[in-house]
Amino acid sequence: KAGVTQTPRYLIKTRGQQVTLSCSPISGHRSVSWYQQTPGQGLQFLFEYFSETQRNKGNFPGRFSGRQFSNSRSEMNVSTLELGDSALYLCASSFANRPYEQYFGPGTRLTVT
Amino acid sequence: GEDVEQSLFLSVREGDSSVINCTYTDSSSTYLYWYKQEPGAGLQLLTYIFSNMDMKQDQRLTVLLNKKDKHLSLRIADTQTGDSAIYFCAESNNAGNMLTFGGGTRLMVKP
Repeated sequence: KAGVTQTPRYLIKTRGQQVTLSCSPISGHRSVSWYQQTPGQGLQFLFEYFSETQRNKGNFPGRFSGRQFSNSRSEMNVSTLELGDSALYLCASSFANRPYEQYFGPGTRLTVT
Repeated sequence: GEDVEQSLFLSVREGDSSVINCTYTDSSSTYLYWYKQEPGAGLQLLTYIFSNMDMKQDQRLTVLLNKKDKHLSLRIADTQTGDSAIYFCAESNNAGNMLTFGGGTRLMVKP
């Protein structure tokens, strides 16, 4: 069974630009969560989607948004990029009835210059 | 808010046992987890334990939970060089869909 895939794996953007990251969950998984990993703040929860609805949101500014499609694929968008948005963005997916078994993708490394 | 604490670094010799410790503050934590992250990779779910359990064993891995002291540990038996990685402790509420992570413990295994 294929794992969680994230595209692109690496991305370089300039301050002020916007970026869209994509996540394809494991087949059959309907819950998708996003996390940001930085050396300073560690791993922080961004948001979680289930059946195209955002169920939970972490403490991030409104520049961070996401959505989920009917096939459970998810995208996250960051607008007006700041240097501090440079991070590894990780996506995780799980079955609806086993939300505690979250499987992570390899991440997208975003560098903002 | 919730807080999860881990020591930063652990060094062991190949073949020895490793014990990685974690403390958490949220008494309503329902699930507790151990994840492994190798360089340049995402997080690998190693194991998890429900808060109503005090021990879980899975091959070389043993998880101990002391709910009274809010202390979680991961023991790796017969540690191998391939176990060198960063290990993250995490907790979640009863919905299980929002993880709060510790800062990670870097395990170095010396041959």
